[in-house]
Amino acid sequence: EIVMTQSPATLSVSPGERATLSCRASQSVSSNLAWYQQKPGQAPRLLIYGASTRATGIPARFSGSGSGTEFTLTISSLQSEDFAVYYCQQYNNWRRTFGQGTKVEIK
Amino acid sequence: QVQLVQSGAEVKKPGASVKVSCKASGYTFTSYGISWVRQAPGQGLEWMGWISAYNGNTNYAQKLQGRVTMTTDTSTSTAYMELRSLRSDDTAVYYCARDMRGAATPDYWGQGTLVTVSS
Repeated sequence: EIVMTQSPATLSVSPGERATLSCRASQSVSSNLAWYQQKPGQAPRLLIYGASTRATGIPARFSGSGSGTEFTLTISSLQSEDFAVYYCQQYNNWRRTFGQGTKVEIK
Repeated sequence: QVQLVQSGAEVKKPGASVKVSCKASGYTFTSYGISWVRQAPGQGLEWMGWISAYNGNTNYAQKLQGRVTMTTDTSTSTAYMELRSLRSDDTAVYYCARDMRGAATPDYWGQGTLVTVSS
C-alpha cells in the first residue's frame, strides 16, 4: 500500500496570506495525485487532479505542483472560505490512499 | 446536473450487515466508476473501493477484503455498498463518489450516510 504523508498537521495562517501544504508518497505515484478540501459536515470537494490541474470552478488562487513522491498545494491568498481540512489522494495504484489531512486554521 | 443521493442513516448492532445505496442522476451511469470512501468521527478519509458501473469490475481496500461487496443496478442507476460483520470501528460516514473520466479520482460526491455500530 502506498502511504501518503501530509505536513504540517495544522497550519495557522492569517487571511490574505499564502498557505503551502505538502504531501509525500512512500513510492512514486507519477502525477496521479489529487487534492480535496473538506469543511465540517460536508463532503470533500475536488480541487486539483493530475497534480496540477484545477477542477471545474476552482479559483486560480489554488495551485498544485510536484510529481513522483513530492507534491505541494498552494493557496496564494487565503480567503475566509478556505479555512478547512485538505487531503491529498494518490490514484496511481489501483488501491488508492489518502493522506491524513492538513487543517488550515485562522491565525 | 450530476447528483448522487444516498440512503439514510443506519444504526446496527455488532456482527450485523449494512447496505448503503447511492442513486445517480444527471449523467450516463454506465460511463463512470463509483468509489466508496468512509470517514470515522473526527478522523480522515479512508478509500474503501471502486466499482465500474460499465461491467461491475471491483477493487477493494485490502483491510476490507472479504467483508465488503460493491454492486450496481444499471436499470435504476444505483450503486450499493454492503459491509458485513460490523464492528464498532466501522462507525463512520460513508460516501459514494463518481470517478472522473481520464483520472481515477472522484469529482462528484454523495451527501454521506452515517452508519453507527453500537450494542
